[in-house]
Amino acid sequence: NAGVTQTPKFRVLKTGQSMTLLCAQDMNHEYMYWYRQDPGMGLRLIHYSVGEGTTAKGEVPDGYNVSRLKKQNFLLGLESAAPSQTSVYFCASKDPPYEQYFGPGTRLTVT
Amino acid sequence: ELKVEQNPLFLSMQEGKNYTIYCNYSTTSDRLYWYRQDPGKSLESLFVLLSNGAVKQEGRLMASLDTKARLSTLHITAAVHDLSATYFCAVGPQETSGSRLTFGEGTQLTVNP
Repeated sequence: NAGVTQTPKFRVLKTGQSMTLLCAQDMNHEYMYWYRQDPGMGLRLIHYSVGEGTTAKGEVPDGYNVSRLKKQNFLLGLESAAPSQTSVYFCASKDPPYEQYFGPGTRLTVT
Repeated sequence: ELKVEQNPLFLSMQEGKNYTIYCNYSTTSDRLYWYRQDPGKSLESLFVLLSNGAVKQEGRLMASLDTKARLSTLHITAAVHDLSATYFCAVGPQETSGSRLTFGEGTQLTVNP
């Protein structure tokens, strides 16, 4: 049981490049989330999903897109990366009413 | 808009001392979570508080929730070096709204020998 995994762990992009971050969970959780963590700002919710085929915007969705084609996977896409998207990205999943379980994080740098 | 404020943001303690971290939030909620994060690592769930007056304890940490005051506390008893980490509280609305969480800024705790 791997829990929540994220791919890749590290990535460096040039401004304007695109990429997709993959989150996978093997706990059969319904809900999944993408957060970004910046110094001194805690975690902020980007997008989330309450089930396969559903997505919704969180607090800071601009510049990101998501898809949840399979229950166990939640993809986060950056179509045209900007330096302001340099951050650590965390994925999480949960089954209500329990707590969210977090993945190990992806450290993204945009130059 | 739900706002969550933690204080202090930085806390340096000596081993053996007691201290409390406070988490205030701005709108009604009866679900509060505490997480721990070690440097460069992910978040680890510590406590889930789901009702007014809830109190939970694990080792040297005890968390409580007062929904009327919109306040949760994380009390540290006889601190040890291993407790050095960043602690986040997170508040969520009812489960019907996707269980979204709003996080506080985090309290960076350093326990000195």
